[in-house]
Amino acid sequence: AQKVTQAQTEISVVEKEDVTLDCVYETRDTTYYLFWYKQPPSGELVFLIRRNSFDEQNEISGRYSWNFQKSTSSFNFTITASQVVDSAVYFCALSVGIYGQNFVFGPGTRLSVLP
Amino acid sequence: DAGITQSPRHKVTETGTPVTLRCHQTENHRYMYWYRQDPGHGLRLIHYSYGVKDTDKGEVSDGYSVSRSKTEDFLLTLESATSSQTSVYFCAISESLPDRYEQYFGPGTRLTVT
Repeated sequence: AQKVTQAQTEISVVEKEDVTLDCVYETRDTTYYLFWYKQPPSGELVFLIRRNSFDEQNEISGRYSWNFQKSTSSFNFTITASQVVDSAVYFCALSVGIYGQNFVFGPGTRLSVLP
Repeated sequence: DAGITQSPRHKVTETGTPVTLRCHQTENHRYMYWYRQDPGHGLRLIHYSYGVKDTDKGEVSDGYSVSRSKTEDFLLTLESATSSQTSVYFCAISESLPDRYEQYFGPGTRLTVT
């Protein structure tokens, strides 16, 4: 069975601080895909990134960066110089299976960025 | 933004009544999904569809049924609503092999069963 763990339930930082959101996944499949989604207070779910199991290159997009390490089954997300607009719940997700029927979400981490 | 709408956006209903939630997409994507979101659980898959009239159960399908008679519409039905089905329901769509492509989500429907 697949599982995603986000051990940090809530994180609070002051604006301009860097913050890392942890994601640990479990799967026996060798081919899988990892995702991060953002859910701002308005409630919609916003796709941030997809990474497949064969690509361990880290990725940077503006203030966002992702660190994928298969050796530790982790896919961590770092926000550099956080801003108030980054306040949201962030979900890590794992997908296996042909139809995405095993698209499993973690419980989410609520990030509060204080001015 | 992906063209996904959900209706209604909010609904309050009584225990034992049937409820149907609608997901409509304008993207002509093959795959559609229904999730529920509850505190501490993230999102959990209820049912999914991999084509017109092709559906299957997800992790938490008990008490729910779905139908997909057209590519653009995916209906979720609670045959007899219970208080445990109070939740926020999200529809999602995916363009191609969904283990390769991200899912895009609708705005959600907040359902309260009293």
